[in-house]
Amino acid sequence: NAGVTQTPKFRILKIGQSMTLQCTQDMNHNYMYWYRQDPGMGLKLIYYSVGAGITDKGEVPNGYNVSRSTTEDFPLRLELAAPSQTSVYFCASSYQSFAEQFFGPGTRLTVL
Amino acid sequence: KNEVEQSPQNLTAQEGEFITINCSYSVGISALHWLQQHPGGGIVSLFMLSSGKKKHGRLIATINIQEKHSSLHITASHPRDSAVYICAVRFGNSGNTPLVFGKGTRLSVIA
Repeated sequence: NAGVTQTPKFRILKIGQSMTLQCTQDMNHNYMYWYRQDPGMGLKLIYYSVGAGITDKGEVPNGYNVSRSTTEDFPLRLELAAPSQTSVYFCASSYQSFAEQFFGPGTRLTVL
Repeated sequence: KNEVEQSPQNLTAQEGEFITINCSYSVGISALHWLQQHPGGGIVSLFMLSSGKKKHGRLIATINIQEKHSSLHITASHPRDSAVYICAVRFGNSGNTPLVFGKGTRLSVIA
């Protein structure tokens, strides 16, 4: 099992550009999450999903969109990149809401 | 406000030392997680606990629900233990609330 995979590993965007961060898990987990990690700060939840077709906002959803068309995939979309979105993004999944979360390797995004 | 505080922020230890990292939180929780973030950035779950104590190898995690406090101990520390250790809690009685993360404790173990 590959676990949770994320692409790309690194990306530099110009202000106003858009991009999609990909996240795939092969553990048949219902729950998937997107977090951002800023220097010196704890992980913040952006969006989460409790199953295919169901998504909900987390603590910091502004500027992002998600979709969950399959159990395996949970892409995160940035429509109009801003410098404030410079961060490291982690995708995670879990079998149940209260279970251990498995994290992807992260995507380091810089917006200039 | 639901908050998670970790101490210390940074910790340097000599190889072999016993290490303690602390986590305190503001209100009742249903579960507490300890995670490790490697120098390369990857995050792995170490423990999930709601009461008592758990042990895995040289790592021990304890929680005191009444005092709203948890500790992560590392016995016989080794340079490979160097990482950021993150505490995360699920506030409230339900298992459905999102995790709230502390800022992490950066541990460096020197040979």
